[in-house]
Amino acid sequence: GAVVSQHPSRVICKSGTSVKIECRSLDFQATTMFWYRQFPKQSLMLMATSNEGSKATYEQGVEKDKFLINHASLTLSTLTVTSAHPEDSSFYICSARDLARGLQETQYFGPGTRLLVL
Amino acid sequence: KQEVTQIPAALSVPEGENLVLNCSFTDSAIYNLQWFRQDPGKGLTSLLLIQSSQREQTSGRLNASLDKSSGRSTLYIAASQPGDSATYLCAVSNQAGTALIFGKGTTLSVSS
Repeated sequence: GAVVSQHPSRVICKSGTSVKIECRSLDFQATTMFWYRQFPKQSLMLMATSNEGSKATYEQGVEKDKFLINHASLTLSTLTVTSAHPEDSSFYICSARDLARGLQETQYFGPGTRLLVL
Repeated sequence: KQEVTQIPAALSVPEGENLVLNCSFTDSAIYNLQWFRQDPGKGLTSLLLIQSSQREQTSGRLNASLDKSSGRSTLYIAASQPGDSATYLCAVSNQAGTALIFGKGTTLSVSS
């Protein structure tokens, strides 16, 4: 089956630093990847849609200058949390659509990245 | 704006019991609906995907139904086991290829 990996799985950083999270589709190509955020006991909330070779589309309330998304290839999207603050501590999960399956498909989720900002 | 609600928020049952988890959505014009399992601190495991034209899907002890017109879906778990303990998330997609909209989940605890 389709596999999506995320790296790192867990990161602790100091307030004010930047953190980069990678999302990779290991055995398929993904034109579109989605970035979600999940706070404790809350649902997954879409942050942005990442399209290969173009600018990401951000959801309302998500600062595009704070959460930088780069989708440079069909198998890799990165989310950089710039100048992280404690309120950015959360569980970040990406998902990817399999290009070969077109629109008739499910999304494949990564295992998530736990970010803790001290 | 599509909203997904899951009831109950938490559920505790003894091993062997059959149970039903509920999901409702406000906009019935969905493309598909999915049920996921999430273990503590982990990512998502897809359980069942129901296209908007389908009424139900089955996988092992799991059965998911969809009533699009009323905006409801149920996940039926037969003969529950302690290993079924997890949070179950319901999510809908409004259009093909778009992101999922999630409910807050139902946290299930099955005691042995």
